[in-house]
Amino acid sequence: EPEVTQTPSHQVTQMGQEVILRCVPISNHLYFYWYRQILGQKVEFLVSFYNNEISEKSEIFDDQFSVERPDGSNFTLKIRSTKLEDSAMYFCASKRAGGNSPLHFGNGTRLTVT
Amino acid sequence: AQSVSQHNHHVILSEAASLELGCNYSYGGTVNLFWYVQYPGQHLQLLLKYFSGDPLVKGIKGFEAEFIKSKFSFNLRKPSVQWSDTAEYFCAVNALGNQGGKLIFGQGTELSVKP
Repeated sequence: EPEVTQTPSHQVTQMGQEVILRCVPISNHLYFYWYRQILGQKVEFLVSFYNNEISEKSEIFDDQFSVERPDGSNFTLKIRSTKLEDSAMYFCASKRAGGNSPLHFGNGTRLTVT
Repeated sequence: AQSVSQHNHHVILSEAASLELGCNYSYGGTVNLFWYVQYPGQHLQLLLKYFSGDPLVKGIKGFEAEFIKSKFSFNLRKPSVQWSDTAEYFCAVNALGNQGGKLIFGQGTELSVKP
């Protein structure tokens, strides 16, 4: 069964640095998402992406964050000038078209900001 | 705004015990409902989903959930848990008509099954 893949599995960075989290969604999926889960807290929606543009974003997704689909397969989340509170597990997800299709999640990237 | 509430933060059971995890949501319109499971070190996996029809839905690994519209609830059940069910369980809601499929998650329930 095809899977959403995320790299790296664990990223450690210093405060103030920029990080790029990478995701390869399932190939015939059209909607792409980033979620994050701070340790001990809920899984929170960050952003959804469709037709090469952001379709929805949460209040968490401020100017520090950006997403890109640079080619036909990758979907990246860039975090500029990381802060300690950005430490979390970041999940990428994708889904086919149609309201009845579920999200498929990747294994996540654990981001640690020191 | 939509929200999802899971009543139990951590549940500890012995093998063969029955399981029920509570989930309530707040949204006045029609929703799609999901339960996801996250095994230690692994990604979120879909356990089951409800879109319409029979409010009792069956998922993988012997799990089922019942949608009770009047109570805004979608509780997860399993008659007899196994040690391998140890995981974190997340209830999630998607407001119908949201073609983008954004999910709102509950805070999760950690299930520990003692062998």
